Amino acid sequence: GIQVEQSPPDLILQEGANSTLRCNFSDSVNNLQWFHQNPWGQLINLFYIPSGTKQNGRLSATTVATERYSLLYISSSQTTDSGVYFCAVVSYTGNQFYFGTGTSLTVIP
Amino acid sequence: NAGVTQTPKFRILKIGQSMTLQCTQDMNHNYMYWYRQDPGMGLKLIYYSVGAGITDKGEVPNGYNVSRSTTEDFPLRLELAAPSQTSVYFCASSLQGAQNTEAFFGQGTRLTVV
Repeated sequence: GIQVEQSPPDLILQEGANSTLRCNFSDSVNNLQWFHQNPWGQLINLFYIPSGTKQNGRLSATTVATERYSLLYISSSQTTDSGVYFCAVVSYTGNQFYFGTGTSLTVIP
Repeated sequence: NAGVTQTPKFRILKIGQSMTLQCTQDMNHNYMYWYRQDPGMGLKLIYYSVGAGITDKGEVPNGYNVSRSTTEDFPLRLELAAPSQTSVYFCASSLQGAQNTEAFFGQGTRLTVV
């Protein structure tokens, strides 16, 4: 299967700071999603972004499929942004998501 | 607007017991999936279904069974529970296959086998 690496593994931010999370993957993909797993364990869809750039409020994401990476930007972070951020990809011939091990974000007031 | 609903949210099983994790979706999605998440890890696919009556194995199917009699429901059966099955289980659905469309996840079932 596809190898998915996320960095950094852990991140601690002061409220109001900005951050960039990275997702590298080992093969061409046809689907890429970013999820936020909140402290209660719920997986929340952030972006469906197999290529290009999208923005949703303080969050934005960019996927450069030809170079096999995606970036998630969080601006003006809030304590409610805390949790684990997962990148998940699907190959052109695949039928399942391959998840990275996530970036654990803690935003402190 | 329920989306993907899983029951129960929490369960403790004794070794050797069996149980069924329920999953239902109200989005009329064709594809449904079961994943497990071990501590500190990403999710791994157990089984998936492309439509009623059709299921297939994922990456980690051993110890589990599934069925898909309706579009809405995709239960996961654990037979002879083992401590290695202690995990958080997520059900997901998508309109088309994983390659083409966005997937939506349920809130998870936290299972402990003692």
